[in-house]
Amino acid sequence: SQTIHQWPATLVQPVGSPLSLECTVEGTSNPNLYWYRQAAGRGLQLLFYSVGIGQISSEVPQNLSASRPQDRQFILSSKKLLLSDSGFYLCAWQSRTGGHTEAFFGQGTRLTVV
Amino acid sequence: AQSVTQLGSHVSVSEGALVLLRCNYSSSVPPYLFWYVQYPNQGLQLLLKYTTGATLVKGINGFEAEFKKSETSFHLTKPSAHMSDAAEYFCAVTRSRGSTLGRLYFGRGTQLTVWP
Repeated sequence: SQTIHQWPATLVQPVGSPLSLECTVEGTSNPNLYWYRQAAGRGLQLLFYSVGIGQISSEVPQNLSASRPQDRQFILSSKKLLLSDSGFYLCAWQSRTGGHTEAFFGQGTRLTVV
Repeated sequence: AQSVTQLGSHVSVSEGALVLLRCNYSSSVPPYLFWYVQYPNQGLQLLLKYTTGATLVKGINGFEAEFKKSETSFHLTKPSAHMSDAAEYFCAVTRSRGSTLGRLYFGRGTQLTVWP
């Protein structure tokens, strides 16, 4: 069966520090991968999505970047965190076969920038 | 373009009462529609989905939703609320074909509170 791992679960970082959040998927190959951010009262904001290794699409210009160095690994990064980067970050994967239907989510990372 | 509107950011019901969470969508091609549930500090879990076929779909935990093309709606219902249903619920849409195939567009969520 397929599983998705996201870590760390919680993170407290000072303003100006770098960030690296990692997401890996097991049990599937060539998935679509997504990074979402959830801020209080603002729903789910799509940050990045990837349809393959090295293929990243950005939804909103911001202080973050994403990379997909391997088929089932998706990394969210920042060189210098801002207070506004605080939020709940969710990684998700979606099969590229069978009609591209539902996405499956990791357990999320709660990031607090102080 | 695809978009989702969830009417009511907060819904409160008594235990045992009907749950109705509203979702309207906009899509230029036949949509795939989803409801997800999120418990505090957790990821999203799929409740149910509509792709093709029967317009009334049943999901986990006694929830169901009906796809109404004429009303561009996909409302979520449960006949009798339970305390454990208290959570945030998200409606989502994706295209069934064409460009941006597979990308999910989410509503802003509805927080469901269940009173004893």
